[in-house]
Amino acid sequence: EPEVTQTPSHQVTQMGQEVILRCVPISNHLYFYWYRQILGQKVEFLVSFYNNEISEKSEIFDDQFSVERPDGSNFTLKIRSTKLEDSAMYFCASNRGFGNEQFFGPGTRLTVL
Amino acid sequence: DQQVKQNSPSLSVQEGRISILNCDYTNSMFDYFLWYKKYPAEGPTFLISISSIKDKNEDGRFTVFLNKSAKHLSLHIVPSQPGDSAVYFCAASLGGSNYKLTFGKGTLLTVNP
Repeated sequence: EPEVTQTPSHQVTQMGQEVILRCVPISNHLYFYWYRQILGQKVEFLVSFYNNEISEKSEIFDDQFSVERPDGSNFTLKIRSTKLEDSAMYFCASNRGFGNEQFFGPGTRLTVL
Repeated sequence: DQQVKQNSPSLSVQEGRISILNCDYTNSMFDYFLWYKKYPAEGPTFLISISSIKDKNEDGRFTVFLNKSAKHLSLHIVPSQPGDSAVYFCAASLGGSNYKLTFGKGTLLTVNP
């Protein structure tokens, strides 16, 4: 069964460093998303991406964040200058379109020291 | 932002009995609802969904009920099995192809053998 994959599973970085989180969505999916879950809190939407552009972003997704689909398979989330409060699980998700559930990857645990 | 609420942080049931997980929402524009299950260190796994034009959707042991007038939905698991022990998230969408999911805080279900 096809699945969303994410790398790395755990990333530790120093405050102020740049990180890139990687995702490979399911191959025939058209819509891509990033969510995050800070420990003990809700899963929160960050950004959605369709047709090579951002379709919606939350207030969390400020200028420090960017997304890219550099080729036909990868979908990346970049945080330019990490802050302590960026420590969270980051989930990538994808779906085919209307009425279709979003499939989530296993997540990347980001720890900012 | 409490648009989707799961007021019970935990629920414990005996194997073979019914588990009922509840979810309330405040945004009447939501028109698509989903339940996800999450094990520790994994991403959310889609369980079942319901469109706002329906009041019930069933898939095997899982049934979701939607009461639009009360802005309430519930997930019934019958019969409950120990493997069902996980955190269950209710999520809602404004519909459309690439709309973000708004999650509740989750309910930890424990099914005791």
